[in-house]
Amino acid sequence: AQSVTQPDIHITVSEGASLELRCNYSYGATPYLFWYVQSPGQGLQLLLKYFSGDTLVQGIKGFEAEFKRSQSSFNLRKPSVHWSDAAEYFCAVGVNNFNKFYFGSGTKLNVKP
Amino acid sequence: NAGVTQTPKFQVLKTGQSMTLQCAQDMNHEYMSWYRQDPGMGLRLIHYSVGAGITDQGEVPNGYNVSRSTTEDFPLRLLSAAPSQTSVYFCASTSPGQANYGYTFGSGTRLTVV
Repeated sequence: AQSVTQPDIHITVSEGASLELRCNYSYGATPYLFWYVQSPGQGLQLLLKYFSGDTLVQGIKGFEAEFKRSQSSFNLRKPSVHWSDAAEYFCAVGVNNFNKFYFGSGTKLNVKP
Repeated sequence: NAGVTQTPKFQVLKTGQSMTLQCAQDMNHEYMSWYRQDPGMGLRLIHYSVGAGITDQGEVPNGYNVSRSTTEDFPLRLLSAAPSQTSVYFCASTSPGQANYGYTFGSGTRLTVV
């Protein structure tokens, strides 16, 4: 069965520091992978996606993610975090020709001044 | 474009009451889904639809019904609300040609069952 694991529930980083949020997936076929961000009280906004090709994908707001098939991972990174990045981040895998999305449990990011 | 519109934004129900959460999209998206979000559990798929007249169950369908009579609307019905259904509910939509851009989400409905 497909699943998505985000092992870090909360992460706190200082403003200006680098960030890496971890995501591991379990899926038998080629995964279609996504990262979403959710600000408090809001819906989800797509940050970036991976389908094929270059394993390093760029997204909005300066985020990037790297797909590593050997590790079944799709970690999200940002070189320098801004206070406005404080939010909850969700990794997701699309299956069955995108009929369904499965989400990880989320990682809450706090940013220290 | 309004995108995906969910109503109401907040609702309090008593145990055993019924209600319908509304979801409408104006993007002509074929795919629509309902998720519930609970702390520490991410978003879990309740029901989904790949077109008018076609629905299917997701991970946590028990206690919920859906129908899709039009492309635009995908209401979620709670027939007899239970405290375990206290959650934030999100509706999302996309189309097969755009699915690789991910789903567009509504702003959510916060439901409390007392």
